[in-house]
Amino acid sequence: GENVEQHPSTLSVQEGDSAVIKCTYSDSASNYFPWYKQELGKRPQLIIDIRSNVGEKKDQRIAVTLNKTAKHFSLHITETQPEDSAVYFCAASMIKAAGNKLTFGGGTRVLVKP
Amino acid sequence: DGGITQSPKYLFRKEGQNVTLSCEQNLNHDAMYWYRQDPGQGLRLIYYSQIVNDFQKGDIAEGYSVSREKKESFPLTVTSAQKNPTAFYLCASSRWEGGNTEAFFGQGTRLTVV
Repeated sequence: GENVEQHPSTLSVQEGDSAVIKCTYSDSASNYFPWYKQELGKRPQLIIDIRSNVGEKKDQRIAVTLNKTAKHFSLHITETQPEDSAVYFCAASMIKAAGNKLTFGGGTRVLVKP
Repeated sequence: DGGITQSPKYLFRKEGQNVTLSCEQNLNHDAMYWYRQDPGQGLRLIYYSQIVNDFQKGDIAEGYSVSREKKESFPLTVTSAQKNPTAFYLCASSRWEGGNTEAFFGQGTRLTVV
């Protein structure tokens, strides 16, 4: 089955700086890579995703890049703000009808210091 | 809020007892999932169901059971066979439609064995 490794496990950045989280996956059949943000005591929520036919996707201050050959993808947060403090999870899956079994990485706790 | 509801929010269980966690969604999603979240770890898949009356084991199914008698409902039973049941349990659902395959999570149930 799929295995997803995520690094680093914790990340402390100064407000305004950039944060980068990296994930690797093992199954070359995976074609969907979402990122979820989980604030303290709350449910994980999708912040951005990328499919294997795209190398990069951007949404305001967040971007995700995908390298299919190397089987790794990364989340980039620019101009970090205190509200970016949360746990971020990457995931991988192979999309198929009526189901999307996600395999998650171990999570990265991001702390943005004002 | 999000269309997927878990109950209860907190649950205490005595050793040797079975407990059932509720998950209901009104999003008309075909697929539903149960994940377990432990401190410092990612989300690990317990069971998933892609259609009513059908479900498959995930990575850590031992000591758990599920049913999917209705599209809207996917209850999880934590049995006495589960050696270390204290954890945060998250239910999710998703639907494949027009390329949108986002998984939506419930608020979670925190189970504590006392």
